[in-house]
Amino acid sequence: DQQVKQNSPSLSVQEGRISILNCDYTNSMFDYFLWYKKYPAEGPTFLISISSIKDKNEDGRFTVFLNKSAKHLSLHIVPSQPGDSAVYFCAASEIQGAQKLVFGQGTRLTINP
Amino acid sequence: NAGVTQTPKFQVLKTGQSMTLQCAQDMNHNSMYWYRQDPGMGLRLIYYSASEGTTDKGEVPNGYNVSRLNKREFSLRLESAAPSQTSVYFCASSEIWVGNQPQHFGDGTRLSIL
Repeated sequence: DQQVKQNSPSLSVQEGRISILNCDYTNSMFDYFLWYKKYPAEGPTFLISISSIKDKNEDGRFTVFLNKSAKHLSLHIVPSQPGDSAVYFCAASEIQGAQKLVFGQGTRLTINP
Repeated sequence: NAGVTQTPKFQVLKTGQSMTLQCAQDMNHNSMYWYRQDPGMGLRLIYYSASEGTTDKGEVPNGYNVSRLNKREFSLRLESAAPSQTSVYFCASSEIWVGNQPQHFGDGTRLSIL
């Protein structure tokens, strides 16, 4: 039973446009959500996070939106740049589970010039 | 500026062989983790160490053992490797064991078991 799902394996966006990556979850006990970015042959790197008490968190070109009633979060990248081409993972954890992250399958984002 | 260092980067084993994957962090972090990533899947937690001196099972611990050697080092051991353990293994660390601390990952060990 996959508690965190990223239903789009891949996404292709033109440079300068908005990239929207989606993530759904089933566990209502999840309290904290994170997005990681991964380049080939490297480990994931932390991008942005959001607590369940918020519905939006912004950091430069990256914004994460959380819709708790729909159990859905999204990552917006504006404007998209070629260096954003990577695999993006969403992850979640429960309050009691603290750092026991549950990851989605990942979405491969390709930014076209 | 090393962060989290994993050794080796690549390894090929035969079924039944044993091996230890090494991980060290230089950020003075208290918590460390081992994950595996299989094709088309996200990372899955194998074992974690919330603080020096403690270790606990994650989602997929069967076939593995861990040792938190000291605050810096956290090793993962395969006692009798099986083809199902072919995967990319990632070690990570975080400053403390609370939800709002991002984890920092090493670049992975690609392990193939024949």
